Amino acid sequence: SQQGEEDPQALSIQEGENATMNCSYKTSINNLQWYRQNSGRGLVHLILIRSNEREKHSGRLRVTLDTSKKSSSLLITASRAADTASYFCATVPSGGGADGLTFGKGTHLIIQP
Amino acid sequence: NAGVTQTPKFQVLKTGQSMTLQCAQDMNHEYMSWYRQDPGMGLRLIHYSVGAGITDQGEVPNGYNVSRSTTEDFPLRLLSAAPSQTSVYFCATGTTNEKLFFGSGTQLSVL
Repeated sequence: SQQGEEDPQALSIQEGENATMNCSYKTSINNLQWYRQNSGRGLVHLILIRSNEREKHSGRLRVTLDTSKKSSSLLITASRAADTASYFCATVPSGGGADGLTFGKGTHLIIQP
Repeated sequence: NAGVTQTPKFQVLKTGQSMTLQCAQDMNHEYMSWYRQDPGMGLRLIHYSVGAGITDQGEVPNGYNVSRSTTEDFPLRLLSAAPSQTSVYFCATGTTNEKLFFGSGTQLSVL
């Protein structure tokens, strides 16, 4: 069963703008991860944020986590055409076993040149 | 250093046929897993392994078999293919419940 749900399902913006996508989940988590998938390719890990962290940065990526609202957001600043991809959040529940990582259905991001 | 290698990239089967999807990693991770990705469904875990000789079921294991005789290899077997198994299959390795590295996928069609 899916733990995380991304919003919006699809997002189209102009190159240079910022892109924000959100992930909501249902149960307490150990960590939350974001992955990118380019068309026809495997997923690539972007960033991991733990339950005791509120914000993490990696290059043009900023991830926030609000455990009280059970939600996370991924911000991509100064978007580029190469950022066109699907973005997935994945959650690991607190006390989860080795099968704990559960993916959402993804946000499809299109960057218009 | 290839990372995670999946073969074949594409496969067409007839209903009832069996086949093995291969997955090999050269990253020396103990954890390996198989996912299937269907339109609008995200990724769903089929089977996983936390080390050689140890395998367990994920969310959607029916119709699939796995084995883990070495750290490097984690093949996925379809015992008797059904149209419902038409999907894209991804193998992944990494640290359990942390950063995963994915292969490029196998697109399977069952007619």
